Amino acid sequence: QVTLKESGPVLVKPTETLTLTCTVSGFSLSNARMGVSWIRQPPGKALEWLAHIFSNDEKSYSTSLKSRLTISKDTSKSQVVLTMTNMDPVDTATYYCARAVYSSGWEFDYWGQGTLVTVSS
Amino acid sequence: SYVLTQPPSVSVAPGQTARITCGGNNIGSKSVHWYQQKPGQAPVLVVYDDSDRPSGIPERFSGSNSGNTATLTISRVEAGDEADYYCQVWDSSSDHFKVVFGGGTKLTVL
Repeated sequence: QVTLKESGPVLVKPTETLTLTCTVSGFSLSNARMGVSWIRQPPGKALEWLAHIFSNDEKSYSTSLKSRLTISKDTSKSQVVLTMTNMDPVDTATYYCARAVYSSGWEFDYWGQGTLVTVSS
Repeated sequence: SYVLTQPPSVSVAPGQTARITCGGNNIGSKSVHWYQQKPGQAPVLVVYDDSDRPSGIPERFSGSNSGNTATLTISRVEAGDEADYYCQVWDSSSDHFKVVFGGGTKLTVL
């Protein structure tokens, strides 16, 4: 049974750094056909992809947020961590982690429940 | 950067067919995936690789992709299909791979 679960602070102050952890089970982060992305969704708005990490540790970032994001993984702990620096109220959103699996393309077949992060002083 | 364009809203009566489009430059050359998101819930994959369905997704959900438009078709629409729908591709045209989501379409069942 595949599960992903996000954890981290629910409230951060402007200019602070956000650290979110995605703990996965039911698959290995070393599986070559799998990877994990972070995706966010501001209240009432669309999904926005943030970052992805592949099994070989290759990383990819949203062009617009690249300077603020770092994604990493600890395969032994089955965790993927996202840090986002210099948080602003516009970063208030539900943050999801999702598993990408390769068939003919990479699709997100399992998602975490999401965690709402509010940025406010 | 690659852009996916979806209509903000689509309305359909129960039992009819809903078609949600996703436009992108030469999108027919890419694998398109579709997600359904109901209020307060995480997205759920309903179609992957243009036209394949994950297990557990009704056959009423189908997809196609050609030229500059991909389409999610929902046949015999039910009230429970009311949700936001997002298309998604991986874009490798620039440096590295990037994930791109469409802006989402709200499906209203009249």
